[in-house]
Amino acid sequence: NAGVTQTPKFQVLKTGQSMTLQCAQDMNHEYMSWYRQDPGMGLRLIHYSVGAGITDQGEVPNGYNVSRSTTEDFPLRLLSAAPSQTSVYFCASSYSVSGSKFHEQYFGPGTRLTVT
Amino acid sequence: AQSVTQLDSQVPVFEEAPVELRCNYSSSVSVYLFWYVQYPNQGLQLLLKYLSGSTLVKGINGFEAEFNKSQTSFHLRKPSVHISDTAEYFCAVSQYNFNKFYFGSGTKLNVKP
Repeated sequence: NAGVTQTPKFQVLKTGQSMTLQCAQDMNHEYMSWYRQDPGMGLRLIHYSVGAGITDQGEVPNGYNVSRSTTEDFPLRLLSAAPSQTSVYFCASSYSVSGSKFHEQYFGPGTRLTVT
Repeated sequence: AQSVTQLDSQVPVFEEAPVELRCNYSSSVSVYLFWYVQYPNQGLQLLLKYLSGSTLVKGINGFEAEFNKSQTSFHLRKPSVHISDTAEYFCAVSQYNFNKFYFGSGTKLNVKP
C-alpha cells in the first residue's frame, strides 16, 4: 500500500492564481481531511469528508474548495491564491470500526505552498 | 467546540534524561486521544492512542501516555530520551460521533548531547 499520497511536494503561485492540490489514499478509508500547518499554530482543519459525495467545512475553509467523487481521492482547490495561504498542507485519512467513531489519521507527506 | 492545549511550545532536555510533554483538552463528552510525532520536513506519524480501557497507553519508540479523565489530560512521557527523539509532538482529540479531529499547537522537543 502506498498509504496517503500528495502532489505536488512544492508549489509557488502568484497572487490570484488557482490550483489544485491532489490527495489519494489506497486504504479504502471513509474519512479524509485537509489541514494547513503554520508555525506555532499546530494543524488547522480546512475541509473534511466522511465518504464519497459528502464534504463539510473545518475551522478555516475560506478560500478553499473540495469535492469527493471517489473514496480514494480528495483534491483541495485554491480558488484565488493569497499570500495568507502560504503554508504546508497535509492530507489525512481515517477509518471507523463502528458508526462514526473515527480512529487515528494517516497523513500524507505534505505540500509546501508559497504564494507571492 | 473542542480545544487542545499543549502548555510548552519548546522543551529542551539532555540525552538520557526523562521527559514529559503536557496535553490538556476541553470536552464534556468521551473522547479518543492521540499523540503524533513530526520529524523535520516530514508528515505526522502516530506515536500512540487512547480509545478505551487501560488509562496507561504504550506507544512506539518507548513513549507512553496516561489518560486522566478528571484532569482532562493526556501527558506524554519517556523515561530516557535519545538524540533521535528530537522532533515536534502534537496532541490530538476526536469526539465520539463527531467527525473532526482537534490538534494542539505542538511541542518541540530538543534533545541535547
